[in-house]
Amino acid sequence: AQRVTQPEKLLSVFKGAPVELKCNYSYSGSPELFWYVQYSRQRLQLLLRHISRESIKGFTADLNKGETSFHLKKPFAQEEDSAMYYCALRDGEGDNAGNNRKLIWGLGTSLGVNP
Amino acid sequence: GAVVSQHPSRVICKSGTSVKIECRSLDFQATTMFWYRQFPKKSLMLMATSNEGSKATYEQGVEKDKFLINHASLTLSTLTVTSAHPEDSSFYICSASGGGYYEQYFGPGTRLTVT
Repeated sequence: AQRVTQPEKLLSVFKGAPVELKCNYSYSGSPELFWYVQYSRQRLQLLLRHISRESIKGFTADLNKGETSFHLKKPFAQEEDSAMYYCALRDGEGDNAGNNRKLIWGLGTSLGVNP
Repeated sequence: GAVVSQHPSRVICKSGTSVKIECRSLDFQATTMFWYRQFPKKSLMLMATSNEGSKATYEQGVEKDKFLINHASLTLSTLTVTSAHPEDSSFYICSASGGGYYEQYFGPGTRLTVT
């Protein structure tokens, strides 16, 4: 079964400390993984996707197929990083364009960065 | 680009009445829209996937006669909660993809309170 697991509901770190938000997945094919973020009183927004191999706001995430993980990392956390973070896996079903492929969501990790 | 709006942002209705929530893609044609509920502890639950011009695909456990979804145009999908009960009180979020946008872009959400 396709599944995304975020084992930590809450994560608290001090400003300047490294942060890692864990995400593990279960998927039989080649996975497409995303991290979404929701800041307080704001809408969900895409943070990064594994196929882009990009760094956004200092965050990176590497797909590790051997460990079926897609952990989100930042070397030096900032207070403005405090938010809810969701890991998501794109489902394999959908049309040829892939437009209606739903996302399988983790339960989210609430990150608090203390001054 | 890729802006999604929802209306209303919050609504209070009485038990037994119906309430309609609109989701619009403002600057792109959304071939697919998704409807979610977000629970108090912030977990996201996909309710249904709707494709323009066809019937919505509901997730297991979601009553399609209670949560009516219409996606009549490439820029508008509506969710109607029929015969609302207090347990339907929740935060409802839509997202949209298509029109060259591969990822899901989220609306700001609608807070429904049923009294």
